[in-house]
Amino acid sequence: ETGVTQTPRHLVMGMTNKKSLKCEQHLGHNAMYWYKQSAKKPLELMFVYNFKEQTENNSVPSRFSPECPNSSHLFLHLHTLQPEDSALYLCASSQENRDVNTEAFFGQGTRLTVV
Amino acid sequence: RKEVEQDPGPFNVPEGATVAFNCTYSNSASQSFFWYRQDCRKEPKLLMSVYSSGNEDGRFTAQLNRASQYISLLIRDSKLSDSATYLCVPPGQLTFGSGTQLTVLP
Repeated sequence: ETGVTQTPRHLVMGMTNKKSLKCEQHLGHNAMYWYKQSAKKPLELMFVYNFKEQTENNSVPSRFSPECPNSSHLFLHLHTLQPEDSALYLCASSQENRDVNTEAFFGQGTRLTVV
Repeated sequence: RKEVEQDPGPFNVPEGATVAFNCTYSNSASQSFFWYRQDCRKEPKLLMSVYSSGNEDGRFTAQLNRASQYISLLIRDSKLSDSATYLCVPPGQLTFGSGTQLTVLP
């Protein structure tokens, strides 16, 4: 199943580096999401995009900058991260209608380590 | 009150046992809800989707209690391969519970 693809799978970056995570979905969905999952912690919703428009930003620090150029692609630009930002970053997509939210399909995630 | 609350466990049960998890939620905005399972260091994968009060799929039964605002997952005849963390997504929400860790013992 490669409905949602994330690259890279693993990333090690220094605190002064700039990098980007990429997510692509081939499911024709209209909504995409970024989640963060730190070790032994629950999934934390970071950003939500519906029809390419950001609809939710859960108090995420500005060192994380999302970009959604079209409904199939989602990026997470990273700069001046901190070691505590090391985590698994998961992208997901779903088809959102007014009254029904469909299930989310997840990518395999990017395991990020900030050194 | 958190949007979603789950008993984190861990639940350690012998193979063949029946186990049930609950997930309480504070807001209801749609008809559908989901249970996911997440294996260690992997992404969550959909286990069951429910578009009414309940759903049954083999050994798994999911139910929604709107009056008390909780959803439940029942696993019968547990298998070793059922060992995972189970996550709920309540109606109309994008946030996940903390997950319930299940270990099925031989």
